[in-house]
Amino acid sequence: GQNIDQPTEMTATEGAIVQINCTYQTSGFNGLFWYQQHAGEAPTFLSYNVLDGLEEKGRFSSFLSRSKGYSYLLLKELQMKDSASYLCAVSSYKLIFGTGTRLQVFP
Amino acid sequence: GAVVSQHPSRVICKSGTSVKIECRSLDFQATTMFWYRQFPKQSLMLMATSNEGSKATYEQGVEKDKFLINHASLTLSTLTVTSAHPEDSSFYICSARMGRAGGYTFGSGTRLTVV
Repeated sequence: GQNIDQPTEMTATEGAIVQINCTYQTSGFNGLFWYQQHAGEAPTFLSYNVLDGLEEKGRFSSFLSRSKGYSYLLLKELQMKDSASYLCAVSSYKLIFGTGTRLQVFP
Repeated sequence: GAVVSQHPSRVICKSGTSVKIECRSLDFQATTMFWYRQFPKQSLMLMATSNEGSKATYEQGVEKDKFLINHASLTLSTLTVTSAHPEDSSFYICSARMGRAGGYTFGSGTRLTVV
């Protein structure tokens, strides 16, 4: 079977840093994606990791450890507009999404 | 960049009728299309994977006779929800991929409401 788990909900304060974790057990692995999704909209690509380590992109960074089946998304300098759902997804011959994390940013 | 056009964006249909959702890749050839369903406050659940010119592969628990998928060309895939019921009301979204190493491009999604 395939399991991709994330915390259901997280809250944080504007200007803070938040880390969203993702653990996975899948039958294949060609890389891990992170997406942001607002309600009723398509997911928006944030980052992609295929090798172990940290990928940094502005306020967003993503880390991958393939041996541990673990990834995290780090959001810095949080803004109110970052309130959304964050989805990790594992790519093999198909793309399977994790359970998703709803992030609420408070002033 | 790669664009996938999905139509309609919203549809309301009567219980028992069928609804067709289209996804077109506008500037690339989508060798593989993926169809997802998303219920409120949940993540995207993969329904099926289709490769151009061959039958779709359905995920466990998805009724292939109810959710008909056609991928007759490299730029068009359709999902038909047959004999729709209120419990089929959901957000349906497609994703297209060019080759096995390509990235995934998502359509804008279809909000289906069955009354």
